[in-house]
Amino acid sequence: DAKTTQPPSMDCAEGRAANLPCNHSTISGNEYVYWYRQIHSQGPQYIIHGLKNNETNEMASLIITEDRKSSTLILPHATLRDTAVYYCVDQTGANNLFFGTGTRLTVIP
Amino acid sequence: EPEVTQTPSHQVTQMGQEVILRCVPISNHLYFYWYRQILGQKVEFLVSFYNNEISEKSEIFDDQFSVERPDGSNFTLKIRSTKLEDSAMYFCASSERPSRRNIQYFGAGTRLSVL
Repeated sequence: DAKTTQPPSMDCAEGRAANLPCNHSTISGNEYVYWYRQIHSQGPQYIIHGLKNNETNEMASLIITEDRKSSTLILPHATLRDTAVYYCVDQTGANNLFFGTGTRLTVIP
Repeated sequence: EPEVTQTPSHQVTQMGQEVILRCVPISNHLYFYWYRQILGQKVEFLVSFYNNEISEKSEIFDDQFSVERPDGSNFTLKIRSTKLEDSAMYFCASSERPSRRNIQYFGAGTRLSVL
């Protein structure tokens, strides 16, 4: 079963920051945390990943706690197009990704 | 921006028939994957492929499934004798290198409908 835990759903007002939490208490020391999203039934889209340090790219920011047991994905200014299911993804085996049930983010006008 | 392309976008087949789903990974990528998503359910890993052989496979990937890289660009998933429960979205993905720091890029998927 999924090694990550996320709330099933969240709402966010358009233009506001969306903060999506994830617990990954069983993550090992050399495993990265990845975030993907899936808009409707499209293929999962890579957002960001990190190991220990906080990360930022053009899509989002990733805050990882010092103990690495949880992280938060931040979409700084959510738009309607950010409505999607967001997955905090664990990497199992050598390279395959284990998707949980994710958080359904709804951006409200 | 380079992308993973999958064909067809929708495949309808009769139970018991063979289907081949096709994928063109990103050109400089070395690691290839198939995932599936039954309607309303999670994205599930099927198989990974590297250096012309299967690297890992899940319990779902039984003898009815096979993968092949027939040439330098295509990566295919074959289901020999489809069952109703094979109906799902099938996603191909590729990554640049096999490592723990592994960003996978997904195609738009093929919707397989088994009647």
